[in-house]
Amino acid sequence: DTEVTQTPKHLVMGMTNKKSLKCEQHMGHRAMYWYKQKAKKPPELMFVYSYEKLSINESVPSRFSPECPNSSLLNLHLHALQPEDSALYLCASSQDFGVSNQPQHFGDGTRLSIL
Amino acid sequence: KNEVEQSPQNLTAQEGEFITINCSYSVGISALHWLQQHPGGGIVSLFMLSSGKKKHGRLIATINIQEKHSSLHITASHPRDSAVYICAAYNAGNMLTFGGGTRLMVKP
Repeated sequence: DTEVTQTPKHLVMGMTNKKSLKCEQHMGHRAMYWYKQKAKKPPELMFVYSYEKLSINESVPSRFSPECPNSSLLNLHLHALQPEDSALYLCASSQDFGVSNQPQHFGDGTRLSIL
Repeated sequence: KNEVEQSPQNLTAQEGEFITINCSYSVGISALHWLQQHPGGGIVSLFMLSSGKKKHGRLIATINIQEKHSSLHITASHPRDSAVYICAAYNAGNMLTFGGGTRLMVKP
């Protein structure tokens, strides 16, 4: 059982829809991450939050909008996505950000399909 | 050239065989993480190591810091071991650089 919970597991949406992905962890971790993974490729970092503040944005298009309402919860708001945004979106967390030797714990991901 | 290279990219084995997956990295790291990803998508942590060797059940991971090389071994492989195995290197800031993954299929 993963300690990082992502919902929904699957999401199909049109290009004009607005939807949100949710990630939750109750391990007391202060750093949370969003990754995007295309088929047969390794995950690519999108955003990092540390203590509920955005620390890293890897030049992600504005149609992806992250939000960290509290230390346990991380959202990714989606609007006006393109077909090429179809991918597996993974959330991860670690005890702290920028401190070495702290493993990142991954969720099961949300598989997103854009019609 | 990726900073973290894995080999082989694809591997097919018969049940019971001993399997080795290799990972080489070209940058300084603080630790290396071996991960397993099943077709459903979720990533499971297998080992995080910065020196020596770790063992858990039929899985063994080793790392040689001087040679910048790590291996993941699976003894007595089983079809349920079929998955993608990913090595990922942590830099000093705890950011991950992922290898390309090794797709393992174990046939009964």
